[in-house]
Amino acid sequence: DAKTTQPNSMESNEEEPVHLPCNHSTISGTDYIHWYRQLPSQGPEYVIHGLTSNVNNRMASLAIAEDRKSSTLILHRATLRDAAVYYCILKQYNNNDMRFGAGTRLTVKP
Amino acid sequence: DTEVTQTPKHLVMGMTNKKSLKCEQHMGHRAMYWYKQKAKKPPELMFVYSYEKLSINESVPSRFSPECPNSSLLNLHLHALQPEDSALYLCASSQGYGLGTGELFFGEGSRLTVL
Repeated sequence: DAKTTQPNSMESNEEEPVHLPCNHSTISGTDYIHWYRQLPSQGPEYVIHGLTSNVNNRMASLAIAEDRKSSTLILHRATLRDAAVYYCILKQYNNNDMRFGAGTRLTVKP
Repeated sequence: DTEVTQTPKHLVMGMTNKKSLKCEQHMGHRAMYWYKQKAKKPPELMFVYSYEKLSINESVPSRFSPECPNSSLLNLHLHALQPEDSALYLCASSQGYGLGTGELFFGEGSRLTVL
């Protein structure tokens, strides 16, 4: 199984950008990079995903390295509501296997 | 409707009881998932149903028995559980492999306490 490595925790100040890194050096050509987050006392929620190109949506941006061995989730202006555990997950297009790693706990300071 | 509904939200049961957790979605999704989450840990994959057939079983003890009566419903039958099975049980659904973005939609979970 392809694995991901993330820092255990990160801190950010409110209204500043946050860059959350993820290493996935054993990624295969059919692995999509998914990001989810889990707010306190809630189920995980989808944030963004990509394959090769950088992606933007209303929640965040995803920057994918050219060799695809790492990626960075970018929150452009952190709010207190963004305090959560962020999970980077590799998922193949042709199956339903979705496994969570340890994730990064993001703390946002006012 | 983009909701996954789980019932009950809280369940307390003894080690000899039989109970069930229920999960429902009306998004037309064809894949449904059960995860177990202990405090301060990531969700652990337990079972995946794809088109109402069990496609992934992560060597979960037989005291946990999943059931997918139709594409909208997913149950987890519980029997003879141990106190270490106390956890948050999360249900999720997705369109199914090869379809859409692969995004999983999660319910809020059922918090289980085994006495």
